[in-house]
Amino acid sequence: TQLLEQSPQFLSIQEGENLTVYCNSSSVFSSLQWYRQEPGEGPVLLVTVVTGGEVKKLKRLTFQFGDARKDSSLHITAAQTGDTGLYLCAGALSRDDKIIFGKGTRLHILP
Amino acid sequence: NAGVTQTPKFRILKIGQSMTLQCTQDMNHNYMYWYRQDPGMGLKLIYYSVGAGITDKGEVPNGYNVSRSTTEDFPLRLELAAPSQTSVYFCASSYGRFQPQHFGDGTRLSIL
Repeated sequence: TQLLEQSPQFLSIQEGENLTVYCNSSSVFSSLQWYRQEPGEGPVLLVTVVTGGEVKKLKRLTFQFGDARKDSSLHITAAQTGDTGLYLCAGALSRDDKIIFGKGTRLHILP
Repeated sequence: NAGVTQTPKFRILKIGQSMTLQCTQDMNHNYMYWYRQDPGMGLKLIYYSVGAGITDKGEVPNGYNVSRSTTEDFPLRLELAAPSQTSVYFCASSYGRFQPQHFGDGTRLSIL
């Protein structure tokens, strides 16, 4: 079974704190995408990582693709209430032409 | 830019009724997708299309049908609505198969 497991499932922290969420699999991905989804809206792409070990930064968000391209992490520095949302990772499996989504991490930043 | 537009936003159906969820995109994307999102279950692919006239099954196609007569439109048809089809449905499009997907705002469907 090709699964993308995201952890933690839920996270509630105070504004200003740092956090890391994870996306793990036993499968190798040709690329991996992170999306953020707010209530009542569709997911919006944050970043795509392609190369093993790649690190991308988007303001206070840092994304890393594992060296073996099986896992990824999202680190948020000094979280803000606007970071609240559902964070989804999606991996592209080139060998069978599939994209699979994780179940997401629901993040709540408290003021 | 309109992007991906889904209609309706909300709908309540009775068991056994049928309906079509509409999806249109104005980005000239070749690839289009239909997902359902159940609480705590992430996104599951129902059907996808790689271009006009071509459709293929995703992970959970049973109970649904699609067509792709134009590049812009990708409607999803429910023929005999069942309570298990209560969900939020998202349409998405992308330039290529593994390119970033652009999502609509979803259709919240309840089958009673």
